[in-house]
Amino acid sequence: ETGVTQTPRHLVMGMTNKKSLKCEQHLGHNAMYWYKQSAKKPLELMFVYSLEERVENNSVPSRFSPECPNSSHLFLHLHTLQPEDSALYLCASSQGTGPGNEQFFGPGTRLTVL
Amino acid sequence: KQEVTQIPAALSVPEGENLVLNCSFTDSAIYNLQWFRQDPGKGLTSLLLIQSSQREQTSGRLNASLDKSSGRSTLYIAASQPGDSATYLCAVRSYSGAGSYQLTFGKGTKLSVIP
Repeated sequence: ETGVTQTPRHLVMGMTNKKSLKCEQHLGHNAMYWYKQSAKKPLELMFVYSLEERVENNSVPSRFSPECPNSSHLFLHLHTLQPEDSALYLCASSQGTGPGNEQFFGPGTRLTVL
Repeated sequence: KQEVTQIPAALSVPEGENLVLNCSFTDSAIYNLQWFRQDPGKGLTSLLLIQSSQREQTSGRLNASLDKSSGRSTLYIAASQPGDSATYLCAVRSYSGAGSYQLTFGKGTKLSVIP
């Protein structure tokens, strides 16, 4: 295992539901990331947190709301999602956000929106 | 905007063959390039990271090369095994503004090694 864990591993939700994805890193890193991986598309960076502050938001719809209460935990709160939001959501962490910092990925949460 | 292309999209080879996966990127101003492996429905495992000043990196049966000026990288896998079957992703790290350095990924090459 990579030291980055994600729960749940699978999630099925309706468009009116509210759910949250959780990520935890055990590597002592200071930066955490959310990525979206849709079928037939490259991984897309959604959010970047450094020392619990959001440093990047790549034009993600407001129905996705991230939260980073401390440097070890990252959440993605979901509400009023659309079927096209079905994807694999990956969390990653790194020591910092500089160019030399390697990112370590979790196993992902497979989300299906009905 | 940085774009990463991987060719081929899928590859099937018999066990024991040597093979090459290709990656190209449009903006040569990168800091490093990374090759990942992804098993079905799972996260990414880092295989090799090449800094922009390096030409190649090796790990076991894997060898990755980087030609930054031409915007190309290759991943060479020697003596392929069925356990090598996975999707291989190439990603480059570039400056994205406001002190941030993003990874831009290709769509991947899905490799199947037939016993």
